[in-house]
Amino acid sequence: EDKVVQSPLSLVVHEGDTVTLNCSYEVTNFRSLLWYKQEKKAPTFLFMLTSSGIEKKSGRLSSILDKKELFSILNITATQTGDSAIYLCAVSNFGNEKLTFGTGTRLTIIP
Amino acid sequence: NAGVTQTPKFQVLKTGQSMTLQCAQDMNHNSMYWYRQDPGMGLRLIYYSASEGTTDKGEVPNGYNVSRLNKREFSLRLESAAPSQTSVYFCASRSPLAGSNEQFFGPGTRLTVL
Repeated sequence: EDKVVQSPLSLVVHEGDTVTLNCSYEVTNFRSLLWYKQEKKAPTFLFMLTSSGIEKKSGRLSSILDKKELFSILNITATQTGDSAIYLCAVSNFGNEKLTFGTGTRLTIIP
Repeated sequence: NAGVTQTPKFQVLKTGQSMTLQCAQDMNHNSMYWYRQDPGMGLRLIYYSASEGTTDKGEVPNGYNVSRLNKREFSLRLESAAPSQTSVYFCASRSPLAGSNEQFFGPGTRLTVL
């Protein structure tokens, strides 16, 4: 059974700080790892990673995958109050159409 | 494009009542999913449908049934609601682009079972 563990479970930082969110996984026949941001409602897609060592970047957010050590990190620099959300990590395998999600990291940015 | 839509947004049921949650997508996606989200539990897959006419169980299917009515619509039914089914329910559909696993989510239904 596929498994995703995210850490920390929650994080409170001040505006302007840099944060690193962690995601480790166990997957049979790994296909991809995805990051989502969830504010008050539906999760919205951030990144999909399939190859080790290649950084994906979007503005102040970036993410990288390590397929040897089975983890990914999501970095957010110069945090803003609008970054406050739950960040979800999910993995897929080649065997089926499903995503397996972690429990999420709740990030709170204090002005 | 409306994307993924869900109805209703909120619902309160009494134990033993039944109801159907509706989901529709207008993106011509083949695969659709139902998740529930509980505090501290992340998103857990209830059922999914890889294509019209097929459905498969996910991680937590007990107490639920689904129908893939056509390519656009995927409904979730609670035959006899229980307080343990109090949760937020999300429907999602998956991009058909080759190599993409991105799922697009609806706005959710907040269900309370008393």
